Amino acid sequence: DVKVTQSSRYLVKRTGEKVFLECVQDMDHENMFWYRQDPGLGLRLIYFSYDVKMKEKGDIPEGYSVSREKKERFSLILESASTNQTSMYLCASSFRGSTEAFFGQGTRLTVV
Amino acid sequence: DAKTTQPTSMDCAEGRAANLPCNHSTISGNEYVYWYRQIHSQGPQYIIHGLKNNETNEMASLIITEDRKSSTLILPHATLRDTAVYYCIAFGGTASKLTFGTGTRLQVTL
Repeated sequence: DVKVTQSSRYLVKRTGEKVFLECVQDMDHENMFWYRQDPGLGLRLIYFSYDVKMKEKGDIPEGYSVSREKKERFSLILESASTNQTSMYLCASSFRGSTEAFFGQGTRLTVV
Repeated sequence: DAKTTQPTSMDCAEGRAANLPCNHSTISGNEYVYWYRQIHSQGPQYIIHGLKNNETNEMASLIITEDRKSSTLILPHATLRDTAVYYCIAFGGTASKLTFGTGTRLQVTL
């Protein structure tokens, strides 16, 4: 079975902290995605990557950056966390050319 | 990628068929229609996809109109476990932006 693992299920951070959210997949997928999910707004794409060291902005990249140094790992970075980044963050992966994406369980981040 | 429009919410009685509509009037020829669902507190799960022909798998059926401007996801015998948010996505081409809308919240009731 495909497994997409996010490092934390729940996280509480302070305003201004640098936050790393880690995602690892074990199926050799080329594509990896980071979304945030907020009530009433659905899933919004932050960044995606279609290969190692490659990244593309999604619909709401402001305040975030990403890193993909290895194929299996895609990190989302909040350089200076703010309270409006309190959200559920979901990571996904898929093979190139396919959108049968597999999702992790999500990280609920609270910034206080 | 084509924008999709779905009703915000729907109800369905357990055991009956749930028919979830999706409009994708700007869909282009190489874009597929994908359906995902998200059960509370879990990540989205792939259900089914199609291009022009109707498709069926163990979870659902997908009916795409001849002009491809709309589609319907059918859960033939809905159960309480099918209560979830269902997302319709029109997507094609190389792997790139996989974007979701706000979906349809399906409530299956006794």
